Amino acid sequence: AQRVTQPEKLLSVFKGAPVELKCNYSYSGSPELFWYVQYSRQRLQLLLRHISRESIKGFTADLNKGETSFHLKKPFAQEEDSAMYYCAPRSDYKLSFGAGTTVTVRA
Amino acid sequence: ETGVTQTPRHLVMGMTNKKSLKCEQHLGHNAMYWYKQSAKKPLELMFVYSLEERVENNSVPSRFSPECPNSSHLFLHLHTLQPEDSALYLCASSQDIGGLAGGRGDTQYFGPGTRLTVL
Repeated sequence: AQRVTQPEKLLSVFKGAPVELKCNYSYSGSPELFWYVQYSRQRLQLLLRHISRESIKGFTADLNKGETSFHLKKPFAQEEDSAMYYCAPRSDYKLSFGAGTTVTVRA
Repeated sequence: ETGVTQTPRHLVMGMTNKKSLKCEQHLGHNAMYWYKQSAKKPLELMFVYSLEERVENNSVPSRFSPECPNSSHLFLHLHTLQPEDSALYLCASSQDIGGLAGGRGDTQYFGPGTRLTVL
């Protein structure tokens, strides 16, 4: 069965500290991986996708096919990074979402 | 209005009522989606439409009936719902559904959602 796991429901870090959000997936084939983010009072929106290998708002995510993981990282968290983050593998045209991790960055 | 809009934003209905949720996208996209976000479950894909043709029904009960009259509009018709159907219903659209490797045509843009309460 296809499954995506975000083990941390809540993550609290201080401003300037590194932050890492874990995502593990169990999929047949080679899904494409995404991270979506929802800031307070805003819509769900794409943060980044693994295939583009880009850094968005200082975030990067490395796809580890051996460990089937796609962890999201930022070396220095900012208060504006406080949000809900969803890992989302896509197989064919079907996007599946993890349960999400709420990140709070404290001053 | 730009982007993806959804109406109504909030809806309360009885189990015997019939209501409809509306989604409209102003992005010129060809694919549209319905998702359900329950309090205790991750966001779940319900339906996918591509060029007004339904390409996915993710085992959704027949009391939910989607309709896509054109590529800009998507409806979700509701009848004889159950209290457990109370949730946030999100609509999304993308340029296309598959996307080429490295392409961005499959990036999904979400609406604000309709908060549905079934009494």
